[in-house]
Amino acid sequence: GQSLEQPSEVTAVEGAIVQINCTYQTSGFYGLSWYQQHDGGAPTFLSYNALDGLEETGRFSSFLSRSDSYGYLLLQELQMKDSASYFCAVNSPNAGKSTFGDGTTLTVKP
Amino acid sequence: NAGVMQNPRHLVRRRGQEARLRCSPMKGHSHVYWYRQLPEEGLKFMVYLQKENIIDESGMPKERFSAEFPKEGPSILRIQQVVRGDSAAYFCASSPGGSRDTEAFFGQGTRLTVV
Repeated sequence: GQSLEQPSEVTAVEGAIVQINCTYQTSGFYGLSWYQQHDGGAPTFLSYNALDGLEETGRFSSFLSRSDSYGYLLLQELQMKDSASYFCAVNSPNAGKSTFGDGTTLTVKP
Repeated sequence: NAGVMQNPRHLVRRRGQEARLRCSPMKGHSHVYWYRQLPEEGLKFMVYLQKENIIDESGMPKERFSAEFPKEGPSILRIQQVVRGDSAAYFCASSPGGSRDTEAFFGQGTRLTVV
């Protein structure tokens, strides 16, 4: 089976940097994705890591260490609109079939 | 290019009725996935379909739930004889498939309430 663990809540202030960690256990690993979800709306793809290292996309970066079964999402220069739930997900060979964590609720305060 | 379209956005059913949820994938996408999300929880995979084929239904409850993706028209998730525990948000996602299949696109979801 597959399971993922991530913190349930994180709070930070505007302009700060926050890191959301994700550890996983899986029988087969093809990649780790991150999704953002506002108020129960459509999950939006943020990033994907198949290999070890850091992937940077604007203010968001994602890191993967396959040997540690660990990844994180780094959000820089936090804005109020970044308040949302963030999910890590372990992929199968098809991107659409993933096992999701229970999500981290990020609250950004002024 | 329209995104993944789901309808209805909200659906209320009485216990014992049937619920039909529809999903049209993004243009050019041939792979469709259905997920269920309970409040304060992550998305749970239900079923993966390609046109006219169910590829993986390992997350689908064995009874009352069925899914199809016909040659023409949207994918349908059907829940028969709904119970209160079926109340949840149901999301559909699509992807193009193939060797570069690393990103899935989600619809806005259908919020099913069983009363």
